[in-house]
Amino acid sequence: DIVMTQSPDSLTVSLGERATINCRSSQSLLSRSNNMNYLGWFQQKPGQPPKLLIYWASTRASGVPDRFSGSGSGTDFTLTISSLQAEDVAVYYCHEYYSAPLTFGGGTKVEIK
Amino acid sequence: QVQLVESGGGVVQPGRSLRVSCAASGFLFSTYGMHWVRQAPGKGLEWVALISDDGSNTKYSGSVRGRFTISRDNSKNMLYLQMNSLRGEDTAVYYCAKGLMETPMSYLTDYWGQGTLVKVSS
Repeated sequence: DIVMTQSPDSLTVSLGERATINCRSSQSLLSRSNNMNYLGWFQQKPGQPPKLLIYWASTRASGVPDRFSGSGSGTDFTLTISSLQAEDVAVYYCHEYYSAPLTFGGGTKVEIK
Repeated sequence: QVQLVESGGGVVQPGRSLRVSCAASGFLFSTYGMHWVRQAPGKGLEWVALISDDGSNTKYSGSVRGRFTISRDNSKNMLYLQMNSLRGEDTAVYYCAKGLMETPMSYLTDYWGQGTLVKVSS
């Protein structure tokens, strides 16, 4: 199974400041056949189901604000919120969909300072 | 719009069985792979199972393989998870989720339901 490791576990950021979340996979998520990274990011707000933010490591899902961006390749990935808004308070999960069993990172809780 | 509504959760004794269901609407159900993902209280996300668009292919996590069975009825737009030999560690909110891509076994999900709580307790 692929192990996904996120850091930090929690993050406190001032409104308008940048938030950065890291994710590392135990094996490469880069497919040689299509040169795509099978890495997604989900946002889960309290009492709600997860919402897909980013897939293919850097493609924003429909309707996701452009302050959210994803980067990285192979085994190291980053989710960046360029200017934190109050509505961004949530837990963020990275997720590999390279091979079954599919796995998620442990989550990073983002709060407002 | 896409809607996924889970039902069938509740309190069940260890060793017993339970079936949870997911009613899908707002998309062509028969052309998407579907998933179950669970979340224990206060914990992270754990993928459980995936079924192909026509139901012919399934995949499971190691923690449920041999005890849980995912199935679907495309004529009713319904997804199911039959859970047998339940254990305390199966206590979680169970979400059904739609595959992102219109392929038989889309590994990535986009829309998720609100979930149904299964509590395994004596």
